Amino acid sequence: GAVVSQHPSWVICKSGTSVKIECRSLDFQATTMFWYRQFPKQSLMLMATSNEGSKATYEQGVEKDKFLINHASLTLSTLTVTSAHPEDSSFYICSARVPGITNEQFFGPGTRLTVL
Amino acid sequence: AQKVTQAQTEISVVEKEDVTLDCVYETRDTTYYLFWYKQPPSGELVFLIRRNSFDEQNEISGRYSWNFQKSTSSFNFTITASQVVDSAVYFCALIVGTTDSWGKLQFGAGTQVVVTP
Repeated sequence: GAVVSQHPSWVICKSGTSVKIECRSLDFQATTMFWYRQFPKQSLMLMATSNEGSKATYEQGVEKDKFLINHASLTLSTLTVTSAHPEDSSFYICSARVPGITNEQFFGPGTRLTVL
Repeated sequence: AQKVTQAQTEISVVEKEDVTLDCVYETRDTTYYLFWYKQPPSGELVFLIRRNSFDEQNEISGRYSWNFQKSTSSFNFTITASQVVDSAVYFCALIVGTTDSWGKLQFGAGTQVVVTP
């Protein structure tokens, strides 16, 4: 089956620093990847849709200058949380869609970000 | 707009009891897909089932079963003879076929299932 990895699995950083999270599709090429954020005891909320070779599409209310997304290759999308603050602490999950199959996404294991 | 409602916030059962999780969805599209995911304490989402809007057949997989009823816009999930390992948060989700949201998963709020020995 399709495998999606995320790195790192957890990260602790100081307020004001930037953190980069990688999402990789290991055995397939993903032209589209999605980034979700999940606060404790809440549901997953879509942050943005990442398309290879083009700008990401952000959901309403998500600051594109704060959450930088780069999808430079067919197997890698990165999310950079710039100038992180404690309120950015959350569980970030990516998913990847197999080209031509729009009704299925494969999820990464998630990255737990804690900003002190 | 699309919406998924999981009205049950938490369900507690004793091992071997059956538990049914409700999911009600809203969409104007005729083509859509419904999903159930399990999220154990580790956080990783585990895919359980996908069902398209044209297939109303109920499905059984081991101790899991799903009841899809378009007439009531519901896609309920039952765990039979629950086990402690079933303790997790379960999410119902929806993908619709409109151009501007194609492929975007809309998640419900989730239901925490607690199974005690």
